[in-house]
Amino acid sequence: GENVEQHPSTLSVQEGDSAVIKCTYSDSASNYFPWYKQELGKGPQLIIDIRSNVGEKKDQRIAVTLNKTAKHFSLHITETQPEDSAVYFCAPSGGSYIPTFGRGTSLIVHP
Amino acid sequence: SAVISQKPSRDICQRGTSLTIQCQVDSQVTMMFWYRQQPGQSLTLIATANQGSEATYESGFVIDKFPISRPNLTFSTLTVSNMSPEDSSIYLCSVSRDSTFSGNTIYFGEGSWLTVV
Repeated sequence: GENVEQHPSTLSVQEGDSAVIKCTYSDSASNYFPWYKQELGKGPQLIIDIRSNVGEKKDQRIAVTLNKTAKHFSLHITETQPEDSAVYFCAPSGGSYIPTFGRGTSLIVHP
Repeated sequence: SAVISQKPSRDICQRGTSLTIQCQVDSQVTMMFWYRQQPGQSLTLIATANQGSEATYESGFVIDKFPISRPNLTFSTLTVSNMSPEDSSIYLCSVSRDSTFSGNTIYFGEGSWLTVV
C-alpha cells in the first residue's frame, strides 16, 4: 500500500506568517493530491486539491504544489489567521483504490 | 459537494453495549465509507458500505464487531458492538460520487464522538 509521511506534526506560527506542510508518498501511480482541514469537533473538509497534470494551484491564501518526480506535495498558507488553526491532512490516491491519510499536522496560529 | 448528516453526534456508552450510528446523504452517492479516528490520530478506514450486499472490511476490522448496513444510495449505518474503552473514537461517514475512490474527492460527515465508560 501507499506510504504517506506528513511533516511537521505540529506547526506554530504568528498571525500573518506563512505556513508550509509537506506530504511525501510512495506510490508513483498516485494522481490526485488533496488537503483536508479538520477543525476541533468537526469532520475533515477538503480545502484544496491538485491533479498530476498540474504543478501548482492557488485559492486565495492557500496553495498546493506538486513535485511528482520527488513524490511530494505541499500545502502553503500565506498571511495566516487564527481561524487557520486546525489539523491538516494529506490523502494522496490514484494508484491504490483507497486514499491513505497522513498522520496530520496541527497548525497553531498565535494572534 | 455533499451534505452528510450523522446521528448521534456524540454519546457516552457503557462498556458491553452496542451503538448504531446513522449516516444520511442529501443525494444519491456511489460510494459510502466508514472511518475511525482515535483521539489525536489520523483516519483509519473501517469498511466500504456496499448497497445491497455485505460491506468490505479493511484489515483489522470484522463484521461481528462493526456490522454495517446500506439499504439504499443515500443511507448507511455502522454499529459498534460490545463496546470497550478502546472503541472510544470519532466515527466518520464519508462518500464519493464516483465509482472509484481513485482521484475523486471524498466528503465527510461531522462525525460521531463516542466515549465508552
